[in-house]
Amino acid sequence: DQQVKQNSPSLSVQEGRISILNCDYTNSMFDYFLWYKKYPAEGPTFLISISSIKDKNEDGRFTVFLNKSAKHLSLHIVPSQPGDSAVYFCAATVGNTGKLIFGQGTTLQVKP
Amino acid sequence: NAGVTQTPKFRILKIGQSMTLQCTQDMNHNYMYWYRQDPGMGLKLIYYSVGAGITDKGEVPNGYNVSRSTTEDFPLRLELAAPSQTSVYFCASSYSARGGHEQYFGPGTRLTVT
Repeated sequence: DQQVKQNSPSLSVQEGRISILNCDYTNSMFDYFLWYKKYPAEGPTFLISISSIKDKNEDGRFTVFLNKSAKHLSLHIVPSQPGDSAVYFCAATVGNTGKLIFGQGTTLQVKP
Repeated sequence: NAGVTQTPKFRILKIGQSMTLQCTQDMNHNYMYWYRQDPGMGLKLIYYSVGAGITDKGEVPNGYNVSRSTTEDFPLRLELAAPSQTSVYFCASSYSARGGHEQYFGPGTRLTVT
């Protein structure tokens, strides 16, 4: 049972444009959502998180939006840069366990 | 700070062999985690630890064992390796288990079982 889903395996955008990565979840008990970025042959690195009591969190070029009624979140990258090309994972957690449930990942390619 | 280090980077095992994947962090984090990532899939939690001497199972613990004798080290033991354990293994640590707290990941160990 996939509790966190990223239904788009890949996304290609032009440099300078907006990248929108989507994530859906099924467990209404999730209380935090996180986005991680992963380059080949490296471990994931944390990008941004959002609490379930908020609907938006922004950090520089990265903004995460949460729609609890739709059980959907999205990561917006504006403007997109070639260095943003990586695999992006959405993850969720319940309570203070630290246990992350990951989606399958979306590969973003930003073309110069 | 080296962060989270993992050894080896690559390993090929024959079916039935055993091995230990090493993980060390120098950030004095209490919380440590082991994940595996299969091709085209997200990471799945194998085991985690909330401090020295305390470990617990994650989503996919079968075929693995862990121990946590020090704050810094969290080795993952594979007994009787099987082809289904072919995967990339990531170790991670965090300062807190509170939901929004980031986990710091090591570079991974790519394991092939043939």
